[in-house]
This record gives sequence, C-alpha cells and structure tokens, in this order.
Amino acid sequence: EVQLVESGGGLVKPGGSLRLSCTASGFTFSNAWMSWVRQAPGKGLEWVGHIKSKTDGGTTDNAAPVKGRFTIARDDSKNTLYLQMNSLKTEDTAMYYCTTQYCSSTSCLYYFDYWGQGTLVTVSS
Amino acid sequence: DIVMTQSPDSLAVSLGERATINCKSSQSVLYSSNKKNYLAWYQQKSGQPPKLLIYWASTRESGVPDRFSGSGSGTDFTLTISSLQAEDVAVYYCQQYYNVPPTFGQGTKVEIK
Repeated sequence: EVQLVESGGGLVKPGGSLRLSCTASGFTFSNAWMSWVRQAPGKGLEWVGHIKSKTDGGTTDNAAPVKGRFTIARDDSKNTLYLQMNSLKTEDTAMYYCTTQYCSSTSCLYYFDYWGQGTLVTVSS
Repeated sequence: DIVMTQSPDSLAVSLGERATINCKSSQSVLYSSNKKNYLAWYQQKSGQPPKLLIYWASTRESGVPDRFSGSGSGTDFTLTISSLQAEDVAVYYCQQYYNVPPTFGQGTKVEIK
C-alpha cells in the first residue's frame, strides 16, 4: 500500500523559513517523480513544483509564485522528499500535499495518483 | 499557463439523480500525436486530500465506481455522476497535464438537495 506522510508544518513569521518532509513507503521511491501541491484555506489546488527521479536527471521545476524561494530535494536512501521554503509570505499559508506523479514503463506524466494527508503551513506575524 | 474554468461553482442534486460538472480549458489539451486528452478529475471530501478519479479525460482510476464517468475533448470536458450517492458529497476538480505547470480548475462543490 502506497503511503505518503508529510511533516514539518507549523507557524512561521513572514520572511522566515521552514522545511517540509514527506516519507514514502509501498513503492519504489527512487523511480518516482514527486510533486508538492498546496491548498490555501478554503481555496483550490495549486501545483508548487516537482522533482524527477535520478535516473531521469533528478531535475526540479517550480511554479512561478515560489521560484527562487522554494527548493525541492530528495533522499532516495531515506525514501524522503523535501520542500525547503525560504522568504515565506503570508500568501504561502496553505496545506501542503506530497504527491506521486503517474509513471508508466516509458514516461511520467503530470497527474497525481497518490496523495499524502498534508501538513499545514501558516505564515503570520 | 493553461487556465481551467469549471461550472457551476456548486450544485445540489437529489440522491439517485444525475450530477454534471463542466470544465473548460483556455487551450486544447488534446495531444495530436496520440489523440489523448491530458485531463484528470479529482474528488476531495471534507478534511481529506484529493483522490484521483479519472485520467485521459475518460479513464476511471482503479476502484472508482462506474457511476463516475468523464467525457469531452479538446477544450470542453464533463464529469458525470450518474446516480448521486451520499458519499459523493465533495468538491471536484479538473486538472490539465498537457503543459507545465499543471493547473487545476477552481473546484465544484456537490451537495445533496
């Protein structure tokens, strides 16, 4: 059974930093393309960014609102995905979900087949 | 970025009746080389993460009841719940994965009338 468990959320002041973690189990994490998706309170879903598997280059890409502030990384030896968030703004307040992107034997796509329960980040003074 | 627009924002349907949600993309999400529409639907119940229902616009994810169906092509898509059950109360989102960044509709809230 696929499990994604996020941690690291909490209350942080504007301009501060926070690192989220997502521990994965039930699948071969090293082969997975992983994304972060967030949801502001009472609002819709917004893709934050993703990281490819190391065999596919291990590169990352972020959405425009977080580019230059957020960094995605992975530690395949620990089956863990990270989201380093710097220069936080009040508009970054959201539930942050760790997700897997669908991958077949030949390619990976940008839809999300498994989701964690999320971790809440609140940016407020 | 491709903008996804859903309608209506909310709807109330009687138990056993049909619910229909529309989703329109600002540009086509039909990939000409494979004739596939890069469109997914998710269900999010209160206090839970989203759950994948449908991909390729009309392919149900494993375990999803067959009362859920997706249709459409190009820029116009529909999610239909053929006979609404109490457990279907949720917010439903469409999402395109034709381009990066992947983008979502604003959501449609489905309630029982």
